[in-house]
Amino acid sequence: DSGVTQTPKHLITATGQRVTLRCSPRSGDLSVYWYQQSLDQGLQFLIQYYNGEERAKGNILERFSAQQFPDLHSELNLSSLELGDSALYFCASSVGRSSERETQYFGPGTRLLVL
Amino acid sequence: GQNIDQPTEMTATEGAIVQINCTYQTSGFNGLFWYQQHAGEAPTFLSYNVLDGLEEKGRFSSFLSRSKGYSYLLLKELQMKDSASYLCVWGGYQLIWGAGTKLIIKP
Repeated sequence: DSGVTQTPKHLITATGQRVTLRCSPRSGDLSVYWYQQSLDQGLQFLIQYYNGEERAKGNILERFSAQQFPDLHSELNLSSLELGDSALYFCASSVGRSSERETQYFGPGTRLLVL
Repeated sequence: GQNIDQPTEMTATEGAIVQINCTYQTSGFNGLFWYQQHAGEAPTFLSYNVLDGLEEKGRFSSFLSRSKGYSYLLLKELQMKDSASYLCVWGGYQLIWGAGTKLIIKP
């Protein structure tokens, strides 16, 4: 158990809909990262937040947005969903702001299926 | 941009030793991570190398050569549970995740 929690575990929705994925980092960690992993594909970095502020952005679509709240939990919002958005979405956390030097601890993921 | 090269798939026998190689561009490099990811599960941290040389952690070891832009993960006494993808992750001006090497262990 990494200490990172994600809800829900599974989500089934229809094209055009909007969903919100939730993540709580490990106690004491200030950074939260979001990743997308499509079937049999590599991890795609979406976005990093550090202590409430956006820190780094990866290949995140404009239809997707995220935020980190004062209690450090984070939410990833996916809107106007398409079939291709079906994937595993992972949240990870680390202590500080420097992703390039710090171990990331991953949550169990949210499996999203868009029908 | 940064290019991380690692084999797509490898097969090894239970009880044997396997070496998974990773090459990367050296410009801007700070350190290199290895993560393990079982199918459908979250990645878990294995190692982080900043200095040249071999670091051993039980059955797993990781090697780094900064000047050559080369790293490898060495797995000894392979067990069936080692069947997983192994992700080479470049740390420099940002974090770049490799596509992973799928390791298949046969009895």
